[in-house]
Amino acid sequence: EADIYQTPRYLVIGTGKKITLECSQTMGHDKMYWYQQDPGMELHLIHYSYGVNSTEKGDLSSESTVSRIRTEHFPLTLESARPSHTSQYLCASSELVAGGLDEQFFGPGTRLTVL
Amino acid sequence: QKEVEQNSGPLSVPEGAIASLNCTYSDRGSQSFFWYRQYSGKSPELIMSIYSNGDKEDGRFTAQLNKASQYVSLLIRDSQPSDSATYLCAVNIRPGANNLFFGTGTRLTVIP
Repeated sequence: EADIYQTPRYLVIGTGKKITLECSQTMGHDKMYWYQQDPGMELHLIHYSYGVNSTEKGDLSSESTVSRIRTEHFPLTLESARPSHTSQYLCASSELVAGGLDEQFFGPGTRLTVL
Repeated sequence: QKEVEQNSGPLSVPEGAIASLNCTYSDRGSQSFFWYRQYSGKSPELIMSIYSNGDKEDGRFTAQLNKASQYVSLLIRDSQPSDSATYLCAVNIRPGANNLFFGTGTRLTVIP
């Protein structure tokens, strides 16, 4: 079944640790995205990719980095986690629909807590 | 002014009633508009997309777009308790790009 996967679903980690949040999709989509969402707040785009070896920063400044070596895989890395990074991280991918516009579909999310 | 604005609610409707959710956006060049449903602790789920002025119906859901007035709305007919969730409006503001701007969402409660 075509889907989008994120691991881990929950992560509690200490300050200063390096972490990688995994995102994979089997939907055959070229475009992938990372959003950050705090409770009760809107989603903010932090990274996106239009294909292999393509990555761009989003509208919200983030200390994280991403890579896109394979079409189906779009991991996000924090080199040194801080309490301010505590948030929900949502991965999405999109497909082109009629009219030349994209519809984005989200994975289940990773809830990160940095102590 | 935020790019996308929604009444945060909460909006409460009785079971079987019509729920009406509204969203306004700031950029007249916006091309596409989406409604997502987000249950507490879960990720957003796409329920409607609309690109042209007018109404678009899908089952119990109707999206309405008025570009001249810069608003988009979502009607939910025959509301069910399972519709209780936060509804997010998202707008693609930059033609040619895929950046979605999200509102903060309207929390809907359907009372049995």
